Amino acid sequence: GQNIDQPTEMTATEGAIVQINCTYQTSGFNGLFWYQQHAGEAPTFLSYNVLDGLEEKGRFSSFLSRSKGYSYLLLKELQMKDSASYLCAVRFSGGYNKLIFGAGTRLAVHP
Amino acid sequence: EPEVTQTPSHQVTQMGQEVILRCVPISNHLYFYWYRQILGQKVEFLVSFYNNEISEKSEIFDDQFSVERPDGSNFTLKIRSTKLEDSAMYFCASSGGTGRGNTIYFGEGSWLTVV
Repeated sequence: GQNIDQPTEMTATEGAIVQINCTYQTSGFNGLFWYQQHAGEAPTFLSYNVLDGLEEKGRFSSFLSRSKGYSYLLLKELQMKDSASYLCAVRFSGGYNKLIFGAGTRLAVHP
Repeated sequence: EPEVTQTPSHQVTQMGQEVILRCVPISNHLYFYWYRQILGQKVEFLVSFYNNEISEKSEIFDDQFSVERPDGSNFTLKIRSTKLEDSAMYFCASSGGTGRGNTIYFGEGSWLTVV
C-alpha cells in the first residue's frame, strides 16, 4: 500500500519552532504536499516539494529527501492560530493527480 | 483569490435517500475531484474527473456514487441511496493540471449526516 506516516499529536509553545515529520513509500513518488486543516474546515494548501531540499514560505518551510522517503514541515514563531492538524499528502505517478493523505498531525500551541 | 465553492454546507438525510452535493471549481481548472473525511479519520480520495469523464476512482466510489458536470461551471456528486456509513465531510477540489506543481485546492466541504 501507499502508507503515509506522521505523528498523531504534537504540542509546542507560542513563539517556538516545531518540526512535523512525514515518511512515505518512495516507489512512484511524484510530489508531496502539506496542508493545514482547522477542525471542521477544508484543508488549506501550505507547500509543495518535488525535488530534494528546503522550500521556504514565510514562517513555514518544508523539506524533502526523496531517497529517504522523508519530509518535514517546519513552523517558526508559533502563534496560537497555528493550532490545527497538518496533513502530509503524496502524489504517486500513475494516478490522475490523486493525493494519498496521512492521518494528520494535531498540533496544539500553548501560551 | 479564486476558490472552490460547495453547497450545501450541511445536510441531514434519511438512510436510503438520494443526496446531491454541488461544487463550483476554480474557473480555469480542468481537473476535478471529490474527497471525503469521516469524523476523526484521514482525508480519502473518491474520484477524479477530467474532460467530462471519470479518470480514476477509489474502492469507496461504488455504484451508489456518481459524478456529473452538468454545465460549464458545476460539478456534482450524487449518492443514490445513502447509508449510515456515508456520513462524512465531502470535499470538492480542483487543479489546473496534473503536472508537477499543479496544486489541488479544496472547497469548504459539505457535511453530510445520514440518520
